[in-house]
Amino acid sequence: GDSVTQTEGLVTLTEGLPVMLNCTYQTIYSNPFLFWYVQHLNESPRLLLKSFTDNKRTEHQGFHATLHKSSSSFHLQKSSAQLSDSALYYCALNNAGAKLTFGGGTRLTVRP
Amino acid sequence: EAAVTQSPRNKVTVTGGNVTLSCRQTNSHNYMYWYRQDTGHGLRLIHYSYGAGNLQIGDVPDGYKATRTTQEDFFLLLELASPSQTSLYFCASSDAGVDTEVFFGKGTRLTVV
Repeated sequence: GDSVTQTEGLVTLTEGLPVMLNCTYQTIYSNPFLFWYVQHLNESPRLLLKSFTDNKRTEHQGFHATLHKSSSSFHLQKSSAQLSDSALYYCALNNAGAKLTFGGGTRLTVRP
Repeated sequence: EAAVTQSPRNKVTVTGGNVTLSCRQTNSHNYMYWYRQDTGHGLRLIHYSYGAGNLQIGDVPDGYKATRTTQEDFFLLLELASPSQTSLYFCASSDAGVDTEVFFGKGTRLTVV
């Protein structure tokens, strides 16, 4: 079946440093859609951004990610972390239907 | 923005007890989902449905039943609750399509003692 791997469970950064959260996936389908969801403390997950075509960058709220089918990756990046970026980030995969498969999540903590 | 309302928001029950979690969405979405969220496991799909009367099994269905009574309403049933089912439960909804956004409710925190 499909799977999504987020290698870092916890990431701690100093404000102003770049952010990179890793996401790799496995699926037998050739045209998956990848998503990043963000969940702030005591809130529910909400969509941050989603993939477009292979090797095309997508951006939202200062974050960006590029789907690379060659490496089955969709890493989340931001050039400069802010305190308000502290949250739980989920990478998710959808292929042939409306069922999302989520990774285990990465908790990002940004310190002053 | 899509509205997904869950009730109750918090629930405590005893081992072996019966629990029903309720979810209503008001945006005419076809798909509805029940997830559980646990530290170290992320969000795991329990059951989902693509319309009234339909039920699809998710990735962690054991110990759970679900029923979709209308387009708007989706229920999760725990008939013999166990401590391992202590978790934060999210209901969600979406339109059909692989690139569609999923909208989550605020969650129900269930504790089985």
